[in-house]
Amino acid sequence: KNEVEQSPQNLTAQEGEFITINCSYSVGISALHWLQQHPGGGIVSLFMLSSGKKKHGRLIATINIQEKHSSLHITASHPRDSAVYICAVPNSGGGADGLTFGKGTHLIIQP
Amino acid sequence: NAGVMQNPRHLVRRRGQEARLRCSPMKGHSHVYWYRQLPEEGLKFMVYLQKENIIDESGMPKERFSAEFPKEGPSILRIQQVVRGDSAAYFCASSQGVAYGYTFGSGTRLTVV
Repeated sequence: KNEVEQSPQNLTAQEGEFITINCSYSVGISALHWLQQHPGGGIVSLFMLSSGKKKHGRLIATINIQEKHSSLHITASHPRDSAVYICAVPNSGGGADGLTFGKGTHLIIQP
Repeated sequence: NAGVMQNPRHLVRRRGQEARLRCSPMKGHSHVYWYRQLPEEGLKFMVYLQKENIIDESGMPKERFSAEFPKEGPSILRIQQVVRGDSAAYFCASSQGVAYGYTFGSGTRLTVV
């Protein structure tokens, strides 16, 4: 069964700062997911990636399959980016598995 | 396309009652997943279903919890004889297959009083 470690657990930054959140997993995977959750809110899928790098607006996700490591970056951070960011991988690495989640990174961007 | 629809959004049950949570997947999605988020904890996998079949229920508590995804209608997560420890947010996600990712519903917040 896959295990996921995320860091940092909590992150407070000033508006405009460059943000990096890290994720490591234990079992080789078909794809890794980055999710966003606002307090009391639903879950939004930000990225699904299996190699390399993806970019969407100010968000960038990278993955190194050999190192079993992924990063989520936010450029020019804004208070509306404040949320919990969650890394997730398939339970057993591949197929149409359910997901195993990291504990999440609580991000606060101060104006 | 209305996305993944979960209802109710909030559900209050007294101890010992039954809770029924419904999830309608996105149109064309035949894979449904249920996850639980306990207060101040991360998301945990509960069960994975396809139409009329339970594929993986390794995350389901052994007693009181059951799930189904019938040929017609939504997927149902059923919790019998609820206890205070069942209070949590329950999220459903759907997918059309391995390569397509997951779409999450807004969740059902269950409170047991």
